[in-house]
Amino acid sequence: EAQVTQNPRYLITVTGKKLTVTCSQNMNHEYMSWYRQDPGLGLRQIYYSMNVEVTDKGDVPEGYKVSRKEKRNFPLILESPSPNQTSLYFCASSPSGKNIQYFGAGTRLSVL
Amino acid sequence: EDQVTQSPEALRLQEGESSSLNCSYTVSGLRGLFWYRQDPGKGPEFLFTLYSAGEEKEKERLKATLTKKESFLHITAPKPEDSATYLCAVQDPDRGSTLGRLYFGRGTQLTVWP
Repeated sequence: EAQVTQNPRYLITVTGKKLTVTCSQNMNHEYMSWYRQDPGLGLRQIYYSMNVEVTDKGDVPEGYKVSRKEKRNFPLILESPSPNQTSLYFCASSPSGKNIQYFGAGTRLSVL
Repeated sequence: EDQVTQSPEALRLQEGESSSLNCSYTVSGLRGLFWYRQDPGKGPEFLFTLYSAGEEKEKERLKATLTKKESFLHITAPKPEDSATYLCAVQDPDRGSTLGRLYFGRGTQLTVWP
């Protein structure tokens, strides 16, 4: 089944403790992206990747890192999480030439 | 300043009562405008892509239209299962025809009651 898989789905952590949210897609898509969704603010893009080893900043990249070493994986890294990074995170992927994004089920992160 | 503004924030319709959602954008040289549907607790699901003024796309009870400064999502004779949040997004024009940086609106939460 074609899908975008995020792990974990739920995470509670403490300020300053490094964490990684994984994202994997099995559709051989070139484009992948990370978003955060907050009440009243909508979806905001954090980082995106046009292909392996090609990443670029979105609207709200501060406090986040990404890497794209393999086509299928696009992990989101929070080196030193802070409470203002408490949010619902979505990963998405899209095939080259087709401007349709397929979203994962989301990761709800709470930073205490 | 928001690149994409959606209105209304929330809309309640009775089943069968047609209406429209609005998405206005400020980017110049639009490359692509997208509509997504999001159900509670789930990721957004793609509905439509529009590229040029005058373009229309239809899917079941939904029709999306595009002008030079805004897009409308028309919902004809809605049913309770159409209840969801509808999101609009535009492509950064500096990225050409490929997806790159995207700007989403805050969404319209639609409730259709029987």
